[in-house]
Amino acid sequence: DARVTQTPRHKVTEMGQEVTMRCQPILGHNTVFWYRQTMMQGLELLAYFRNRAPLDDSGMPKDRFSAEMPDATLATLKIQPSEPRDSAVYFCASGLWDREDYGYTFGSGTRLTVV
Amino acid sequence: QQPVQSPQAVILREGEDAVINCSSSKALYSVHWYRQKHGEAPVFLMILLKGGEQKGHDKISASFNEKKQQSSLYLTASQLSYSGTYFCGTEIDIGNEKLTFGTGTRLTIIP
Repeated sequence: DARVTQTPRHKVTEMGQEVTMRCQPILGHNTVFWYRQTMMQGLELLAYFRNRAPLDDSGMPKDRFSAEMPDATLATLKIQPSEPRDSAVYFCASGLWDREDYGYTFGSGTRLTVV
Repeated sequence: QQPVQSPQAVILREGEDAVINCSSSKALYSVHWYRQKHGEAPVFLMILLKGGEQKGHDKISASFNEKKQQSSLYLTASQLSYSGTYFCGTEIDIGNEKLTFGTGTRLTIIP
């Protein structure tokens, strides 16, 4: 089965450090989402791309977060500087939004701990 | 705006039925349903589009009431493997497809 690949799976970093999370969407998918999941806030949408173009990043703290899709096989989410409140699981999901029964496929996530 | 799910949690015995509801204050283009097991990623179950009312496979089905902006997920004759947290995700309209998830419903199936 095709899968969305996220790296790293786990990341522990010190407050103030830069963190980069990577996502390889399924080949041919034209939509990529970044979500953050915490116990308190659930699944929060941070940003999403259609055909590599950013369509919405209103859920992202702009001063420290940035999301890019340098090419069709790579999406990145950067946090600089990181803070303890950024500790969460970050999921990438990809899909074809114009297919009625397709839905979105999630990667395994990056568990980020900022100490 | 985040859709509202109910109930927040439910415990069932194997073989019993469950209904999970999802409602929105905005007109919807589509409703997605996902299941997430502990420590894993959410997995897509099904999507219902505006104009379609019901869908299902095996013992899991869902309905979409456009007038009420509500969707319900039905699990019949529940199995242990159905345990997990169920999320509905909504898209507001065809020009704004960002998928916003509800707070989730934790389903526990006991033998």
